[in-house]
Amino acid sequence: QVQLVQSGPEVKKPGASVKVSCKASGYTFTTSGISWVRQAPGQGLEWMGMINSYNHNAKYAQKLQGRVTLTIDTSTSTAYMELRSLSSDDTAVYYCARDFMGSGWYYFDYWGQGTLVIVSS
Amino acid sequence: DIEMTQSPSSLSAFVGDRVTITCRPSESISRYLSWYQQKAGRAPKLLIYGASSLHSGVPSRFSGSASGTGFNLTISSLQSEDFATYYCQQTYRFPRTFGQGTKVEIK
Repeated sequence: QVQLVQSGPEVKKPGASVKVSCKASGYTFTTSGISWVRQAPGQGLEWMGMINSYNHNAKYAQKLQGRVTLTIDTSTSTAYMELRSLSSDDTAVYYCARDFMGSGWYYFDYWGQGTLVIVSS
Repeated sequence: DIEMTQSPSSLSAFVGDRVTITCRPSESISRYLSWYQQKAGRAPKLLIYGASSLHSGVPSRFSGSASGTGFNLTISSLQSEDFATYYCQQTYRFPRTFGQGTKVEIK
């Protein structure tokens, strides 16, 4: 069965960086992309970016461009999201999701359990 | 960016009620529209993709449709486990934007 397992919670100081991992299993990793979505406390879902697991090409939300980097380690079927220059506005739960194409449509069919990142001095 | 506007933002309903949530994109997205359910403290779950295709394992009381300039998610007979927040999302173009969410509460 498809599973995405994320790394544990993080507490960071303003200005620091955080790197969250997302280990995939149960499918051929290079056949689907991985998107990252975050959710600030009490807020909605915000798409951050997507990385193609085959060619490692990435797309980013303009709001985060320059601060976020998505990478892939195909040898371990793991995706990474690094966010730099953290501020309190980056306090959120961060999710990875399989960005799947089926029957001609794109959708997020499996999600990680979420990683809480708290930014506080 | 394509803006996705959901309505209502919240609703109260009884178990057994028929509930419809609407999502309107700021421009045409063909049928690249997905619906997700999120319960408190949990990751979102896919319900519908391609505007009307039911994801595997999702109960048949959930359905999606396209109408006029928007899309609808309908729950034909609301069950206690359906009380949650629902999000639409377009995957027609990057960035893959979400609606602001609709919270479905018990009346």
